[in-house]
Amino acid sequence: DIQMTQSPASLSASLEEIVTITCQASQDIGNWLAWYQQKPGKSPQLLIHSATSLADGIPSRFSGSRSGTQYSLKISRLQVEDTGIYYCLQRYSNPPTFGSGTKLEIK
Amino acid sequence: QVQLKESGPGLVQTSQTLSLTCTVSGFSLTSYHVSWVRQPPGKGLEWMGRIQSGGSTYYNSALKSRLSISRDTSKSQVFLKMNSLQTEDTAIYYCTRDHWYFDFWGPGTMVTVSS
Repeated sequence: DIQMTQSPASLSASLEEIVTITCQASQDIGNWLAWYQQKPGKSPQLLIHSATSLADGIPSRFSGSRSGTQYSLKISRLQVEDTGIYYCLQRYSNPPTFGSGTKLEIK
Repeated sequence: QVQLKESGPGLVQTSQTLSLTCTVSGFSLTSYHVSWVRQPPGKGLEWMGRIQSGGSTYYNSALKSRLSISRDTSKSQVFLKMNSLQTEDTAIYYCTRDHWYFDFWGPGTMVTVSS
């Protein structure tokens, strides 16, 4: 199975700050990566797919990038509603595997 | 609009079989795959398996011996059955539309396994 190593495990940042979350894939997965946001008591919501493509209805302050087998989610101009847990997901091969999650809180 | 909703018993005894139903609307099961994903309390997400638009099934090898996914396209329902439940199977169970990525999710159903 492909391992997705996500960091940091938790993150505290101020409003309007820029934050970056990363996932390292254990092998080449091309652009088969997605990012999800999960708020307390809710199901995950797709933010980014295909490593860099913004999902429908997602604010443009969210962006994704790739450098080799490292993938990053950047949130520009952090807002209160961005609090939650963020997960990456690889869809290159079965089984699909998730990162362990990054808990983001606002200072 | 696309919607999915899970239903099933909230409590299952250890060693028993879990049966869950995912009822979908806004899309056809013959056009899209559906996956099941679970999340133990306070933990991360685990893909369990999926049923493809053509009816083929794929399972996580860690669960394959215990898991079965089926569907009734006339009722727009997907079914999950997992046997020999243990306390570590306590989790929120989600069904998701699986269109390259998991693009729509149900609200999830909490299943507690207890003796």
